[in-house]
Amino acid sequence: EAGVTQFPSHSVIEKGQTVTLRCDPISGHDNLYWYRRVMGKEIKFLLHFVKESKQDESGMPNNRFLAERTGGTYSTLKVQPAELEDSGVYFCASSQRHQYEQYFGPGTRLTVT
Amino acid sequence: GQQVMQIPQYQHVQEGEDFTTYCNSSTTLSNIQWYKQRPGGHPVFLIQLVKSGEVKKQKRLTFQFGEAKKNSSLHITATQTTDVGTYFCAGPRGTSYDKVIFGPGTSLSVIP
Repeated sequence: EAGVTQFPSHSVIEKGQTVTLRCDPISGHDNLYWYRRVMGKEIKFLLHFVKESKQDESGMPNNRFLAERTGGTYSTLKVQPAELEDSGVYFCASSQRHQYEQYFGPGTRLTVT
Repeated sequence: GQQVMQIPQYQHVQEGEDFTTYCNSSTTLSNIQWYKQRPGGHPVFLIQLVKSGEVKKQKRLTFQFGEAKKNSSLHITATQTTDVGTYFCAGPRGTSYDKVIFGPGTSLSVIP
C-alpha cells in the first residue's frame, strides 16, 4: 500500500512569492489534514478535509493560505504571498473515516527568505 | 480552549538509561495516541489507548492511560540510539471522531 506522498520535499522562496504544496493521501482515505511544524515546536493543525469538503479550517493562519482538495483525492495548499513566518515543515496526513490513526507524509520543508 | 501538554520538553539520557515522557490533557479524552518523529522524518503512529488505566507494551516501550483519562505516559526501558526522536501524544479534538490535538512533544536524545 502506497503511503502519503508530498511534493515538493523542499521549497525555498522569497518573501512575497507564491508556493503551492501538494499532498496525495492514501487511496481510500476520506480524511486529509494539513499541519505545520515550526522550528521543532508543536504540530499545529491547519485544516481538515473530508473528501472534497473542508470540515475544519480553524487552524489556517490567515487568508494568504488557500487549501483545496479536487475531487476528494489529492490536496494543494497555496501560500500567496509568502511571509517569513510561514517557514516550517508542512505535513499532510490522511486517515479513514472515524479512525484516529493518521498516516503522515514526509513533509515539505518551506523556507521563506 | 482544549490543551494537551507534555513534559519534559527535552530529555538527554545515556544509552541504557530509562526514559519517561508525560502527557496531560485539560479535558477527559476518549482515547490517546502516541506518535514518534525521528529527526528529519515525519510522525509515525505508535499506539492508541482507550480504556481507563490501560497499559500496553511494545518491546521496550510501555504506554499507560490514566484512570481519569486525562493523562498518559510513555516509558522506554534501556534506551538505544534508535529511540532518538520526538514523541508526541495526541487526543481527540473536542468530540470529533476524526481530528486530534497534538501535545508539543518531548525530544529525546540518547548519548552513546
